[in-house]
Amino acid sequence: DAGVTQSPTHLIKTRGQHVTLRCSPISGHKSVSWYQQVLGQGPQFIFQYYEKEERGRGNFPDRFSARQFPNYSSELNVNALLLGDSALYLCASSNPRVYNEQFFGPGTRLTVL
Amino acid sequence: QQQVKQSPQSLIVQKGGISIINCAYENTAFDYFPWYQQFPGKGPALLIAIRPDVSEKKEGRFTISFNKSAKQFSLHIMDSQPGDSATYFCAASMDYGGATNKLIFGTGTLLAVQP
Repeated sequence: DAGVTQSPTHLIKTRGQHVTLRCSPISGHKSVSWYQQVLGQGPQFIFQYYEKEERGRGNFPDRFSARQFPNYSSELNVNALLLGDSALYLCASSNPRVYNEQFFGPGTRLTVL
Repeated sequence: QQQVKQSPQSLIVQKGGISIINCAYENTAFDYFPWYQQFPGKGPALLIAIRPDVSEKKEGRFTISFNKSAKQFSLHIMDSQPGDSATYFCAASMDYGGATNKLIFGTGTLLAVQP
């Protein structure tokens, strides 16, 4: 079975631009969570979506938004990019009503110049 | 109360030795404690996880020890191999309700296994 897939792999943007990151969960998983991992730190929770509804939001500004589609794939959008948004953005797939395990994708490396 | 504290920050172990990484938490509502392994440029991979109703769980060379009263848990890697060299993260989660299971991560431990 295919694991969690994310696109693009790498992305370079300039300050003020916006970016859209994409994620496809493991087949059968209905929840997608987004995490930001700054170099040298642990992942920080941004959003969780389950059955197309936002189920959790971390301590991130309103410049960050996300949505989940009927096929359970998801997009993370970040507007008005700042240098500090440079990070590895991770998508995690799970089925929270069945078990707690979350499986991560390879991530998207975003660099803001 | 939402923090998970992880130590050491880095660890050097000889091949065949035992690697031990420790984590501590404050929130007694946490009820799920996974460990993740991350190689450079890759996403975290789930290694092993434990719930508070057991004190130890073993999978191959990896063992989680859990001390509920001390609010601590640790990862033991037996017979450490150079291929185990990676960053290890502990994490914690609980039933937030509404099908939410966000993970709170520790700060990571960089493990180097010397041949």
